[in-house]
Parts: sequence; structure tokens; C-alpha cells
Amino acid sequence: GDSVTQMEGPVTLSEEAFLTINCTYTATGYPSLFWYVQYPGEGLQLLLKATKADDKGSNKGFEATYRKETTSFHLEKGSVQVSDSAVYFCAASGGSNYKLTFGKGTLLTVNP
Amino acid sequence: EAGVAQSPRYKIIEKRQSVAFWCNPISGHATLYWYQQILGQGPKLLIQFQNNGVVDDSQLPKDRFSAERLKGVDSTLKIQPAKLEDSAVYLCASSLGLAGEQFFGPGTRLTVL
Repeated sequence: GDSVTQMEGPVTLSEEAFLTINCTYTATGYPSLFWYVQYPGEGLQLLLKATKADDKGSNKGFEATYRKETTSFHLEKGSVQVSDSAVYFCAASGGSNYKLTFGKGTLLTVNP
Repeated sequence: EAGVAQSPRYKIIEKRQSVAFWCNPISGHATLYWYQQILGQGPKLLIQFQNNGVVDDSQLPKDRFSAERLKGVDSTLKIQPAKLEDSAVYLCASSLGLAGEQFFGPGTRLTVL
């Protein structure tokens, strides 16, 4: 079945630092790829997605590009804020039922 | 628009007891999912419904877990009897259809003592 491997945390950055969280996947076919975010005390929210190779998903200053050749979907943000502190999950969706497979999550803490 | 509702938010039980969780999806969403999220891990799909039919329950421990969505709207997930390793957050999600964006509820945190 599909699997998703993402950078293990925790990741601690200072405000305005550059963020990269690595994510790679294994799947048959060409899955859609997602980043979800879970803020403290809240439910999972979709942050961005890409549905085909070379697509770039973006939202709230975050970006990720679907790289088929490296089977990767790394999350980046040029300047993080304290409010970005959360757990970030990479996920892949494939198969006839579009089943979502999640990575283990990466805890990001941004200090002022 | 109301989001996915779940109850209870927290539950503490002793091993071998039974427990049930309830989920009400976003109105009009045909597809409903139950996930188990163990501390430090990503959510794992337990069961997926399309209306009131099961699409995927390959990772549901059927000897102790059961789920139903009788009228194709709200759903109940039951564990009987619970084990220590069932301690987790149980997430419900819904989407318009199989390929639609999934919207998650706040989850139910289960602690089995």
C-alpha cells in the first residue's frame, strides 16, 4: 500500500526563519498530495494540495511542489510566524477509494 | 456552515469496558471516515462509508470495533471490549464524495486504563 515518510521533529525556529519540512511518498500510480495542519486544541485542517506532477500548492505563505522524479512534496515557508506553531502532516491519496495515508507528523514551534 | 460534530470530546474507561463515539458530518456529505490517531503518529483510516455502505474497512479490528451509518448521515463507532492500546484520538471526517476534500471534526480523546 501507499506510505508517507516525513521529517521527524520537533522543529524549533525563531520568528522570520525559513522553514522546510521534508516529505516523501511511495505509491502505485500518481496520488494526490496534501499538507494538513493541526493547531493546538483544534482539528486537522487542509493547508494545501497538489494533484499532479509539477503542481505547486500554496496557502498562507506555505508552498509545496509535487516532484514525481523524487517522489517528494516538501513544505516550505520563507518567514515563519509564532502563529504557525502547530503539527504538520503530509498525506497521499490514491486508489479507487482515494484513501488518505498520513505521515507521522512534524511538530513546529516558532519562538518570538 | 456547521463543521463535523463529534461527541464526546473526552472519554476515560477501564480495559474490557465498551465505548461508543458519535459523528455528525457536514450536511450533504456522502462520504464519512473514521480515523484512529495514536499519540505521535498520523491518523490511520479505520473505516470509510459512502452513504450507508462500507467502502473500505480493511484496517478496522473487526473482533472489537464496529461502525454503522444506518441512514447515510450520522455514524457511530463502537469498541467492545476496549484494550489499553486503543487509547488514541478518534477522528471523524466527511467529504462531498470519494474524491472530495476531507473535513475533520475535533476528535474524541479516549483513554483506556
